[in-house]
Amino acid sequence: EVQLVESGGGLVQPGTSLRLSCAASGFTFDDYAMHWVRQAPEKGLEWVSGISWNSGRIDHADSVKGRFTISRDNAKKSLHLQMNSLRPEDTALYYCAKAYSSKSGRFDHWGQGTLVTVSS
Amino acid sequence: SYVLTQPPSVSVAPGQTARITCGGTNIGSESVDWYQQKSGQAPVLVAYDDGDRPAGISARFSGSNSGNTATLTISRVEAGDEADYYCQVWDSSSDPYVVFGGGTKLTVL
Repeated sequence: EVQLVESGGGLVQPGTSLRLSCAASGFTFDDYAMHWVRQAPEKGLEWVSGISWNSGRIDHADSVKGRFTISRDNAKKSLHLQMNSLRPEDTALYYCAKAYSSKSGRFDHWGQGTLVTVSS
Repeated sequence: SYVLTQPPSVSVAPGQTARITCGGTNIGSESVDWYQQKSGQAPVLVAYDDGDRPAGISARFSGSNSGNTATLTISRVEAGDEADYYCQVWDSSSDPYVVFGGGTKLTVL
C-alpha cells in the first residue's frame, strides 16, 4: 500500500524558513516523479513544486520561485520542500503527491498534508 | 499562464446525473485529470486522460473533452459523491507544469 506521510509544518513568523518532509513507502520511490501541492484555508488546490525521478527536472510555481526548493533523497525514500522567506499567503495545508510516472504531473496518491501557518 | 474555469457549485438530486465542466482555451487538445476531495480529506484521482478511471473508481464517473470544455459526468449520483471536484491539466513543456481549476462544490440535494 502506498503511503505518504508529511511532516515539518508549524506556526512561523513572516520572513523565516521551514523545511517540509515526506516519507514514502509501498512503492519503488525512485521510479516516480513527486510533487508538492498546497491548499490555503477554504481555498482550492495550488501546485507548488515538482521533481522528476532522478532530480533531473525541477519545477516551481511562479508564486514560490526563488523562495522554495524541492529535493528528494531516493536512498531514504523522502521528499523535501525547503521554504524560505515565508509570507502570510504561504499559509496552507501542504500535500505530498506521488506522480503517475517518472515525469508526470498527474497525482495518483496523496498524503494527508502538513499545515503551515505564517503569522506574526 | 493557462487558466481553467469551473463553476463554483453544482447541485443534483440523488439518482440524477451531475455534469461538472472545466473550461480552457483549446482544452480539447490537452489531457485533463479530475480529482475528488471530500471534506477534511486529501484529493483522490477519479478520472484521467479525459475519461479513463483509476482502479477502484466507480464506473459512474466518466470524462469527456472537446473544444474549449472538459466535462466530468457522475451518473446515478449518491450522497457519498458530495465533494469538491477539481480539473487539472499538466504539460511538461509548459510553465507552470501543472494547473488546477478553481474547483466545483457538488451538493447532493
